Amino acid sequence: EAQVTQNPRYLITVTGKKLTVTCSQNMNHEYMSWYRQDPGLGLRQIYYSMNVEVTDKGDVPEGYKVSRKEKRNFPLILESPSPNQTSLYFCASSLFAGYGYTFGSGTRLTVV
Amino acid sequence: DQQVKQNSPSLSVQEGRISILNCDYTNSMFDYFLWYKKYPAEGPTFLISISSIKDKNEDGRFTVFLNKSAKHLSLHIVPSQPGDSAVYFCAASPGTTSGTYKYIFGTGTRLKVLA
Repeated sequence: EAQVTQNPRYLITVTGKKLTVTCSQNMNHEYMSWYRQDPGLGLRQIYYSMNVEVTDKGDVPEGYKVSRKEKRNFPLILESPSPNQTSLYFCASSLFAGYGYTFGSGTRLTVV
Repeated sequence: DQQVKQNSPSLSVQEGRISILNCDYTNSMFDYFLWYKKYPAEGPTFLISISSIKDKNEDGRFTVFLNKSAKHLSLHIVPSQPGDSAVYFCAASPGTTSGTYKYIFGTGTRLKVLA
């Protein structure tokens, strides 16, 4: 089944403790992206990647890092999480930029 | 600065009638637009898209209209079904003209189709 898989689905962590949210797609898509969804703000793009080793900032990149060492994986790294990063995170991929995304099921992160 | 706006947070429609969801944008560089549907506890799913070279795109019960001069797009669902009850997001990208591929999403409209 063609899909985007995010892990974990739920995560509660403490301020300052580094964490990684994994994202993997099995569709050989070139384009991948991370979004966060917050009430009243919709979906905001954190980072995106056009292909392996090619990444760029979205609208809200502060406090996040990404890497794209393999085509299928696009992990989101929070080096020192803070409470304002409590949010619902979605990973997405598409065949190439400009195509409709396939989204993962989301990761609900709480930073206390 | 919200570049993509969905001014109606919610909408209720009777089953069988037409649902019209609206989206306005401010950036004239946007040239590709998409609609997504999101059920609770799931990721958004792609519904339909439209390029700025068109003013209409149709896929089954779903039609998207684009009015470039008004910087406005709308999604029509005819006939509406209870299974269409979800949050709908519109998204815009300046991708093909600027070489960047940052999708900007609206805040969403919650559609409730009443049986």
